[in-house]
Amino acid sequence: GAVVSQHPSRVICKSGTSVKIECRSLDFQATTMFWYRQFPKQSLMLMATSNEGSKATYEQGVEKDKFLINHASLTLSTLTVTSAHPEDSSFYICSASGGAGELFFGEGSRLTVL
Amino acid sequence: GENVEQHPSTLSVQEGDSAVIKCTYSDSASNYFPWYKQELGKRPQLIIDIRSNVGEKKDQRIAVTLNKTAKHFSLHITETQPEDSAVYFCAASKPSYTDKLIFGTGTRLQVFP
Repeated sequence: GAVVSQHPSRVICKSGTSVKIECRSLDFQATTMFWYRQFPKQSLMLMATSNEGSKATYEQGVEKDKFLINHASLTLSTLTVTSAHPEDSSFYICSASGGAGELFFGEGSRLTVL
Repeated sequence: GENVEQHPSTLSVQEGDSAVIKCTYSDSASNYFPWYKQELGKRPQLIIDIRSNVGEKKDQRIAVTLNKTAKHFSLHITETQPEDSAVYFCAASKPSYTDKLIFGTGTRLQVFP
């Protein structure tokens, strides 16, 4: 089956720094990927839709200047959390379609901002 | 936009019993309804899904039912086992946006031996 790989799985950073998370489709091309955020014991909240070769579409309430998304190729989307603060600590997870209707998720990245 | 409500938030059952989780959605244009199982710290795993042209779908111990008129769908797990313990999420999406899932709030299922 289709595989979506996410890196890093865990990252700890100091407040004020930026962190980049990568999402790769390993054996298929993904023109669209999605980024979700999940706080402890809560649901997955859609942050944005990442479109290859164009600007990302952000959900209401998500700061586009805070969460920079780049989808430069058909197999890679990146999420950069800029000037991270403790409240940005969360589990970030991406997803992409394998083309047969099923959505595949990355392993997730746990961000801890000190 | 679409809003998906899910209940109960927690569910405890004895091994061998059945478990039922219910979701309602707001957008009548939604036509794809997957269910995911998520273990702590891991990615969600698709366990079953249903499209709006079908009222019921079954896969071994898991079944999903859909009532389009009432805009609700349910997950049924029979003969529960301890390894079924996890958080379950329902989701919904619309035509042409089948990958853009809106998730329910989740149900933490605990199956006691």
